[in-house]
Amino acid sequence: DTEVTQTPKHLVMGMTNKKSLKCEQHMGHRAMYWYKQKAKKPPELMFVYSYEKLSINESVPSRFSPECPNSSLLNLHLHALQPEDSALYLCASKPGLASSTDTQYFGPGTRLTVL
Amino acid sequence: LAKTTQPISMDSYEGQEVNITCSHNNIATNDYITWYQQFPSQGPRFIIQGYKTKVTNEVASLFIPADRKSSTLSLPRVSLSDTAVYYCLVGGRSNDYKLSFGAGTTVTVRA
Repeated sequence: DTEVTQTPKHLVMGMTNKKSLKCEQHMGHRAMYWYKQKAKKPPELMFVYSYEKLSINESVPSRFSPECPNSSLLNLHLHALQPEDSALYLCASKPGLASSTDTQYFGPGTRLTVL
Repeated sequence: LAKTTQPISMDSYEGQEVNITCSHNNIATNDYITWYQQFPSQGPRFIIQGYKTKVTNEVASLFIPADRKSSTLSLPRVSLSDTAVYYCLVGGRSNDYKLSFGAGTTVTVRA
């Protein structure tokens, strides 16, 4: 099973809402990632978790709050977002953080629209 | 951080070979070169990775010259389903093993 799943597939939320994105993998990977991708732009790294601990935060605004409750699950909690936060949010995982040759597996993404 | 430069777009026809060259002049000694493919509204998918010389798998070949300042992804006999954005990434210990995506190359395959 080389699959990363993400739910929901689509999400529409208002600026005052609180919502969460979920990512799951059962490949035993210990590194998990959140990316943000705007239309016709490349993915931009947001957060990296290694062994359930936050390893890298790419200066992401605090209205995005990641959480890794266990080795298979990664959440992204959203609160007080802005319309410019509308994007495709991608989750990815790979076996270990400190490896140049491990392949990073991406999920299909959650299409987020902030009204 | 090794920056990559690749053509913005390329057009091809079914059955042709497509070669995409990526420049990475300041690649670090321990960096690897990785290519990903992305279809609209999907996550990127790993295609191939290499360190030097030539690497081939069932979908592509990767050519890396001795100075490693560039690399060429070769897609043999493309079909319409190969229409996608192709990203060249360079990294490893020098950038904390992060994937830093460049602008990518949009490849359009026509019948």
